[in-house]
Amino acid sequence: EIVLTQSPATLSLSPGERATLSCRASQSVTGYLAWYQQKPGQAPRLLIYDTSKRATGIPARFSGSGSGTDFTLTISSLEPEDFAVYYCQQRINWPRTFGQGTKVEIK
Amino acid sequence: EVQLLESGGGLAQPGGSLRLSCVVSGFTFNGYAMNWVRQAPGKGLEWVSVISGSGGSTDYADSVKGRFTMSRDNSKNTLYLQMNSLRAEDTAIYYCAKEKGDYNGHFDYWGQGTLVTVSS
Repeated sequence: EIVLTQSPATLSLSPGERATLSCRASQSVTGYLAWYQQKPGQAPRLLIYDTSKRATGIPARFSGSGSGTDFTLTISSLEPEDFAVYYCQQRINWPRTFGQGTKVEIK
Repeated sequence: EVQLLESGGGLAQPGGSLRLSCVVSGFTFNGYAMNWVRQAPGKGLEWVSVISGSGGSTDYADSVKGRFTMSRDNSKNTLYLQMNSLRAEDTAIYYCAKEKGDYNGHFDYWGQGTLVTVSS
């Protein structure tokens, strides 16, 4: 099983600041990594798939990068609606696995 | 508009059974693999199971293998999860999730979830 480790666990930032979230895999997932956003009481929403492709309707302030075992989700300038929990997920191997999440909170 | 609507959650006793359903609309159902993903209270996401677009292939997380069975009725645009021998650790919100393709592995649409509570 591929273990995905996200850091930091919590990121305290102000609106307008840049957020950088990390996801490290226990073995290479090549480029088959996605990022999801989840707000309280809501289902997850796909933001980025295959490392850097934005899902339908996702604003350009969200971007993804990386390869192999190290990946990054960047939010260029935080909007109030971006404060949420973010999960990474790999699809190269079974079982599909998720990271434990990074909470982006208002400072 | 793509929509997924789960139902069937509720309270079950340890060792009991529940059957979850997920009715979908807005896309060609038999063209996509579908999944169940769960989230224990206050915890992260855990993939549970997948079924191919045709229904001919399934796979399960080790934690549910032999106890849960996933199926689909493409004529009814409906997905199912039969959950037997339930344990306290199965308590979670269960989401059905559509893949971006058939066995693509990323989940582009999710239902709102249905809560399963296993307790005596």
